[in-house]
Amino acid sequence: GAVVSQHPSRVICKSGTSVKIECRSLDFQATTMFWYRQFPKQSLMLMATSNEGSKATYEQGVEKDKFLINHASLTLSTLTVTSAHPEDSSFYICSARGRQAQPQTNTGELFFGEGSRLTVL
Amino acid sequence: GQNIDQPTEMTATEGAIVQINCTYQTSGFNGLFWYQQHAGEAPTFLSYNVLDGLEEKGRFSSFLSRSKGYSYLLLKELQMKDSASYLCAVLLYNFNKFYFGSGTKLNVKP
Repeated sequence: GAVVSQHPSRVICKSGTSVKIECRSLDFQATTMFWYRQFPKQSLMLMATSNEGSKATYEQGVEKDKFLINHASLTLSTLTVTSAHPEDSSFYICSARGRQAQPQTNTGELFFGEGSRLTVL
Repeated sequence: GQNIDQPTEMTATEGAIVQINCTYQTSGFNGLFWYQQHAGEAPTFLSYNVLDGLEEKGRFSSFLSRSKGYSYLLLKELQMKDSASYLCAVLLYNFNKFYFGSGTKLNVKP
């Protein structure tokens, strides 16, 4: 099946620094990538949707200047948490959708990265 | 906004059958998905419904009623390894939005 790789899996940083998380689709072209945040014992909250070559669409309440998303190619999207603070500590997960090569079999399924656990001290 | 509701937690016995419900109120509905998530891991895909009816896939089945905004995931012959959170997710707007419900934590006991 399709594979999405996310890196780093864990990161600890000091308050005020910036952290970049990468999300790569390894064997398909990801036309759309979604970034989610998950706090302990809660569900995945959609932060933003990015389409290759265009600006990301952010969900209400998500600061686009704080969470910078770049989707420069069909296999790579990055999320940069700028000036991180302890309240940004969370599990960040990317997911990707590919092109509908076979409409009768493509369910529109999302493929998820392994997730990145960010801890801001 | 989108409202996608699930029970918070359920408990069932090994070998039994459990049904996890999901109700949604959304616009531009384009499909409903079920995912399984173990603690600290990324979700894994279980099933997908875009038309009304039942989709069966081994021990897992998922049902959808679009007119009622309702879906359920049915797990048969429960195993201890089925203890996990189960998330329903709705695909909207020509595949450009994908929202998750709050998730249901399933505890399977011996």
